[in-house]
Amino acid sequence: QLQLQESGPGLVKPSETLSLSCDVSGGSLSSPSHYWGWIRQPPGKGLEWIGNIYYSGSTYYNPSLKSRVTISVDTSRNRFSLKLSFVTAADTAVYYCARRYYSVPGWFDPWGQGTLVTVSS
Amino acid sequence: DIQMTQSPSSLSASVGDRVTITCRASQSISSYLNWYQQKPGKAPKVLIYGTSSLQSGVPSRFSGSGSGTDFTLTISSLQPEDFATYSCQQSYSTPYTFGQGTKLEIK
Repeated sequence: QLQLQESGPGLVKPSETLSLSCDVSGGSLSSPSHYWGWIRQPPGKGLEWIGNIYYSGSTYYNPSLKSRVTISVDTSRNRFSLKLSFVTAADTAVYYCARRYYSVPGWFDPWGQGTLVTVSS
Repeated sequence: DIQMTQSPSSLSASVGDRVTITCRASQSISSYLNWYQQKPGKAPKVLIYGTSSLQSGVPSRFSGSGSGTDFTLTISSLQPEDFATYSCQQSYSTPYTFGQGTKLEIK
């Protein structure tokens, strides 16, 4: 059974870079049938898609975050990562990693348990 | 960006009730609409993908319908474990967008 697990600092200072990793177990990140994505949810608010990556390294980002986001993949470690630069309090959220099916309609399943990142000095 | 609007934002219902949640897209998304259930402190879980396909393991009391811009999620007979927040998501085009969520509470 595929499982995803986020990890990274829970507190980041304003203007710094948020860095998270997602470890994939029970399956391969090199599957040609899936994308791997990041989604976030500010406290008490709705879900926001951040971006996806394919095992080849192809990326797709939300234009609202594109200038600050980098998603990368390490197939040797079965891990993909998120970097979000110049963070502000508005970036405080629970960050989820998830698998997205390559074929339409491309739903997200499964999801990691999520990790809360707070931006504060 | 395609805006996804759910109604209602919150809903009170009783065990055994039939409940319908609506999701409207700001433009046509064909049938590329997915529904998720989220319980407090937990990650979302997909219930229905492609408007009406039931994810494996999801009870048959959940169903979805619609096309174009208007979609519905129906729970035929509410069970205690169904009280949660439900969100729709369009996968027609990037950026993928979610509805704001519908919180289903016990009456």
